[in-house]
Amino acid sequence: ETGVTQTPRHLVMGMTNKKSLKCEQHLGHNAMYWYKQSAKKPLELMFVYNFKEQTENNSVPSRFSPECPNSSHLFLHLHTLQPEDSALYLCASSQGQMNTEAFFGQGTRLTVV
Amino acid sequence: GQSLEQPSEVTAVEGAIVQINCTYQTSGFYGLSWYQQHDGGAPTFLSYNALDGLEETGRFSSFLSRSDSYGYLLLQELQMKDSASYFCAVRDRVAGTALIFGKGTTLSVSS
Repeated sequence: ETGVTQTPRHLVMGMTNKKSLKCEQHLGHNAMYWYKQSAKKPLELMFVYNFKEQTENNSVPSRFSPECPNSSHLFLHLHTLQPEDSALYLCASSQGQMNTEAFFGQGTRLTVV
Repeated sequence: GQSLEQPSEVTAVEGAIVQINCTYQTSGFYGLSWYQQHDGGAPTFLSYNALDGLEETGRFSSFLSRSDSYGYLLLQELQMKDSASYFCAVRDRVAGTALIFGKGTTLSVSS
């Protein structure tokens, strides 16, 4: 248990489906992040939220839509995805300072068919 | 922008010592971190260096040279359970509090 919980752990969806990934942290952190991890590639930063405000959007396609209703919860809404979007989606949180460690969830393994 | 370079694979035997190097380019620099990720698991924090020098935590040590934009992770007395991917990561002026990761080094430890 890392203090960051992601659901679901596995998701298979069709290209026309709409689904959401959920992340919850119980660490009192005020920054939360979405990363994408594809096979043989580094963790790619997708979105950054500090104090519920989105501060970074790394040129992510609009078929990925984040939502941060409060500092403990983060969602990633998915619609009309492509097969190349199949990957491990990791959520992380930190205190939002430059010298603190990030805590990761176990990730959601997404397969788009 | 940012870029981090580290070897893609390293192999070693139990009991050996391994050094994983990382060179980085960032716009501003706020320290170098190392994370470990086992297959199917979440990345977990290993170490953080903001200043030059060596930080030791048990069997693992991490080194930073800011003038050379270079750091390394040193793993001693290797055990089979150390087989994992190791990522160096930085924060910089562009990414803010988010970590930017290298491509990772897969370490395989054999008996």
